[in-house]
Amino acid sequence: DAKTTQPTSMDCAEGRAANLPCNHSTISGNEYVYWYRQIHSQGPQYIIHGLKNNETNEMASLIITEDRKSSTLILPHATLRDTAVYYCIVSPGTYKYIFGTGTRLKVLA
Amino acid sequence: GAVVSQHPSRVICKSGTSVKIECRSLDFQATTMFWYRQFPKQSLMLMATSNEGSKATYEQGVEKDKFLINHASLTLSTLTVTSAHPEDSSFYICSARDGRDRAGDTQYFGPGTRLTVL
Repeated sequence: DAKTTQPTSMDCAEGRAANLPCNHSTISGNEYVYWYRQIHSQGPQYIIHGLKNNETNEMASLIITEDRKSSTLILPHATLRDTAVYYCIVSPGTYKYIFGTGTRLKVLA
Repeated sequence: GAVVSQHPSRVICKSGTSVKIECRSLDFQATTMFWYRQFPKQSLMLMATSNEGSKATYEQGVEKDKFLINHASLTLSTLTVTSAHPEDSSFYICSARDGRDRAGDTQYFGPGTRLTVL
């Protein structure tokens, strides 16, 4: 079973920040938090990952709570092309991924 | 960087035939590749883990004699669906682990192969 829980769906207005939460209360000390997204009929696209510290790249920011039991993916200025299913995964990296059901994000014009 | 390709992107075959799907890491070497299956409106389900030069490790419930996996080089893994039946129709996705990552050994996914068995 997946070690993460995410809301089933979310809406976000175009141009606004999209904040996608993920709970991973049983995360182990050596497990990373990975975020991917899947646009319809395509393979998942890597977004970002982190261990303890907050991370930022050209696509998004990842905020991990101090106790590491939850995290938030932030898309700073959502566009219509960000409409996708977003998956949060925890894994030690050298191990397989177990996908949960993800969050279906719909960006509204 | 970190591009993974799959071929073919879609395939239609008759029941009872075998279909081979290729997964290639284009700009990095992947000691480990993974094969997933995704049915409509469902999440990705891991089928097997493929390590270069050794036998694949299959997830519980996945028939290893039906889904043959070969990982002959550091850039190529193949999945062969043998004696395909309509219930094998699905979206098959591979991923490859990039061991060059500074931390975390991120997996990168291919674009997927849509298999339809008539």
